[in-house]
Amino acid sequence: KAGVTQTPRYLIKTRGQQVTLSCSPISGHRSVSWYQQTPGQGLQFLFEYFSETQRNKGNFPGRFSGRQFSNSRSEMNVSTLELGDSALYLCASSFVGAGYEQYFGPGTRLTVT
Amino acid sequence: KNEVEQSPQNLTAQEGEFITINCSYSVGISALHWLQQHPGGGIVSLFMLSSGKKKHGRLIATINIQEKHSSLHITASHPRDSAVYICAVIEQETSGSRLTFGEGTQLTVNP
Repeated sequence: KAGVTQTPRYLIKTRGQQVTLSCSPISGHRSVSWYQQTPGQGLQFLFEYFSETQRNKGNFPGRFSGRQFSNSRSEMNVSTLELGDSALYLCASSFVGAGYEQYFGPGTRLTVT
Repeated sequence: KNEVEQSPQNLTAQEGEFITINCSYSVGISALHWLQQHPGGGIVSLFMLSSGKKKHGRLIATINIQEKHSSLHITASHPRDSAVYICAVIEQETSGSRLTFGEGTQLTVNP
């Protein structure tokens, strides 16, 4: 079974630009969660999507948004990029959610200059 | 104070040593995850616990719900165990997969 894939793996953007990251979950998984990892804040939850609906949202500004498609693939978008958005963005999929094992993708390394 | 605290933050061991990493949390939880992150960023889920004890190879994870504490043990440690180990909890009132993470423990195992 193929693992969780994320594209692109690396990205360099300029302040003020917007970016879209993609996550393809394991086949059959309907829950996709997004996380941000920075040296200063560690891992933080961004949001979770289940069956095309946002089920949970972390404490991030509205510049961070996401969506999930009918095939469970998910995208997250960050508008008006700031230097502090430089981070490793990870997605994880699970069959249903809370009580199930999380499978993480390799991450997208975003650098904002 | 963080909701999830791990100790120690850094741990250096010699190959073959028995290792313990601790995780304490301050909220009611429905489950706790132990994760492993290697250089480069990839995260692997080692265990998901809601009670008791689980074992996989040389790894053992325990949880005491009443004391709000979990431990990850590595028996006969090996240099390939060198990684960051992260404890993450799912709070009781949360539906879905919202994880709250500890700061991680950097483990280095020397040959």
